[in-house]
Amino acid sequence: DAGVIQSPRHEVTEMGQEVTLRCKPISGHNSLFWYRQTMMRGLELLIYFNNNVPIDDSGMPEDRFSAKMPNASFSTLKIQPSEPRDSAVYFCASSSYTGELFFGEGSRLTVL
Amino acid sequence: KQEVTQIPAALSVPEGENLVLNCSFTDSAIYNLQWFRQDPGKGLTSLLLIQSSQREQTSGRLNASLDKSSGRSTLYIAASQPGDSATYLCAVRSETGANNLFFGTGTRLTVIP
Repeated sequence: DAGVIQSPRHEVTEMGQEVTLRCKPISGHNSLFWYRQTMMRGLELLIYFNNNVPIDDSGMPEDRFSAKMPNASFSTLKIQPSEPRDSAVYFCASSSYTGELFFGEGSRLTVL
Repeated sequence: KQEVTQIPAALSVPEGENLVLNCSFTDSAIYNLQWFRQDPGKGLTSLLLIQSSQREQTSGRLNASLDKSSGRSTLYIAASQPGDSATYLCAVRSETGANNLFFGTGTRLTVIP
């Protein structure tokens, strides 16, 4: 299996622009997670889905952030409008019934 | 809320040495514990997963142990190599709270050739 696939790997944008991050989980995994990692706060869970349904989005910073999972093989995390403080590495991860979590390589976002 | 602590934050050892990384957690009602390594600019790579009913797991030169009652896990690395240099994170999944993992802040390991 190719593992969890994220795109883009790097994104540089200007404040106020819309950013869309994409994730393809490992085939057969039923849970998908979006994390954000910064030096100051470490890894933070933003939202996770079970069987394509959002279960806990309490980690989403504010209404500018939204996530969707239209099917079992695709998810998006959208930031609109983006702000400089959103600069971070965003990770997608997936897991099966065993609970073992597998991460993608991350999307490094820089908002100028 | 579950709190996960990893001490030390950084560790340097000469090549060939055996070493132990520590992870402690405050709530013993866990579902599983997972060890990851993260290389600079990369994602997290799963190393070992220990279910709550297990005491240890082994993979190659790595051995992870779990003591739920004391809220502790250790990652033992035998015969360390420069390629082992990375940040090692432990993550705990609580019995409650469904799928949420609580991460430690990591131990940055440097193995000196």
